[in-house]
Amino acid sequence: AQSVAQPEDQVNVAEGNPLTVKCTYSVSGNPYLFWYVQYPNRGLQFLLKYITGDNLVKGSYGFEAEFNKSQTSFHLKKPSALVSDSALYFCAVPLVAGNMLTFGGGTRLMVKP
Amino acid sequence: EAGVTQSPTHLIKTRGQQATLRCSPISGHTSVYWYQQALGLGLQFLLWYDEGEERNRGNFPPRFSGRQFPNYSSELNVNALELEDSALYLCASSLWQGGTEAFFGQGTRLTVV
Repeated sequence: AQSVAQPEDQVNVAEGNPLTVKCTYSVSGNPYLFWYVQYPNRGLQFLLKYITGDNLVKGSYGFEAEFNKSQTSFHLKKPSALVSDSALYFCAVPLVAGNMLTFGGGTRLMVKP
Repeated sequence: EAGVTQSPTHLIKTRGQQATLRCSPISGHTSVYWYQQALGLGLQFLLWYDEGEERNRGNFPPRFSGRQFPNYSSELNVNALELEDSALYLCASSLWQGGTEAFFGQGTRLTVV
């Protein structure tokens, strides 16, 4: 079964420092992988996706993610964190049939001034 | 372009009642997905509709049902409400092609008292 895991419930980083939010995956075949962000009392916003091609994927709001097949990881990164990046981040992978997603447990990112 | 819209924003129901939640997808999207985000349980896939048909459902009892209308809008019905049905219900839409990202609405907060 397709699945993703986010090993950290919370990540704390100082504003201006680089940030990494981790995600590992377990899929059969070539994976489609997604990152979404959720602000308080809001729905999810799409950040970026990996389908195929370059291992470094660039997305919205200056975020990027690195696909690593050997480590089965798809970590979300940003070179310089902003306080406004504080939110809940979800990694996701489609279930085998269709585009419905299974999500990781979420990582709360706290960026402190 | 309008995003995914959900109504109502908040809904308070009594245990045993029925709740109806509505979703309008992005224009051109034929697939609609419903997810439940309950406290402590993360994001759970509920239902997937495409071209008016239920394509897949998650591990939820039959009292969770829905439908998709000819204009691709959708409604989710929850019968015989239980306290643990209290959650944020998120609707998303996408094109039907595999690997395409889904866009989410702001959610309906259902509270069962």
